Amino acid sequence: DVKVTQSSRYLVKRTGEKVFLECVQDMDHENMFWYRQDPGLGLRLIYFSYDVKMKEKGDIPEGYSVSREKKERFSLILESASTNQTSMYLCASSSDGAHTDTQYFGPGTRLTVL
Amino acid sequence: GENVEQHPSTLSVQEGDSAVIKCTYSDSASNYFPWYKQELGKRPQLIIDIRSNVGEKKDQRIAVTLNKTAKHFSLHITETQPEDSAVYFCAASTGEGNEKLTFGTGTRLTIIP
Repeated sequence: DVKVTQSSRYLVKRTGEKVFLECVQDMDHENMFWYRQDPGLGLRLIYFSYDVKMKEKGDIPEGYSVSREKKERFSLILESASTNQTSMYLCASSSDGAHTDTQYFGPGTRLTVL
Repeated sequence: GENVEQHPSTLSVQEGDSAVIKCTYSDSASNYFPWYKQELGKRPQLIIDIRSNVGEKKDQRIAVTLNKTAKHFSLHITETQPEDSAVYFCAASTGEGNEKLTFGTGTRLTIIP
């Protein structure tokens, strides 16, 4: 069974702080994704990664960066947190195999920036 | 890039009735259309998906239909039950394993006992 875990369920930070959100998957998936979820806006893709040390911008990358040093771990970094980055952050992973497009999500991190 | 629109944003149905959620997409190259269900406080999970080589797919009480010409697809839930209450998201992609999904904005479905 695929397991995707995120480092924190709830996080409270102050404006200007550097914030790290960690995601780990245990199924040897090649692809990993970071989304933010806001009411009425659905799931919006921030960054994704096809492979170790590879990253691609999603639809809303501004204010974020990512790191993928190991295949199982994908980190989202807020260099200088702002109040408009208060949101639910969801990590997901998927395999590269044929007809295996299912994305498996982590439990989410609810980030509040004060 | 791809744009996915989803309607309605909220839907309430009596238990036992059917529910239909509709999505449209803009990129004619999209050929993979999954639906995710997110129960309150939980993570989204895939419930059904369809590829462009078929027009309909069923799995017990849920079904998805696809009209490639009109670029829309729909989720149908029959004989609704309280446990169907959740937020449902449609999505579209070109179907490659490493391609990103573009999600709709979600439909909050409430089943009225």
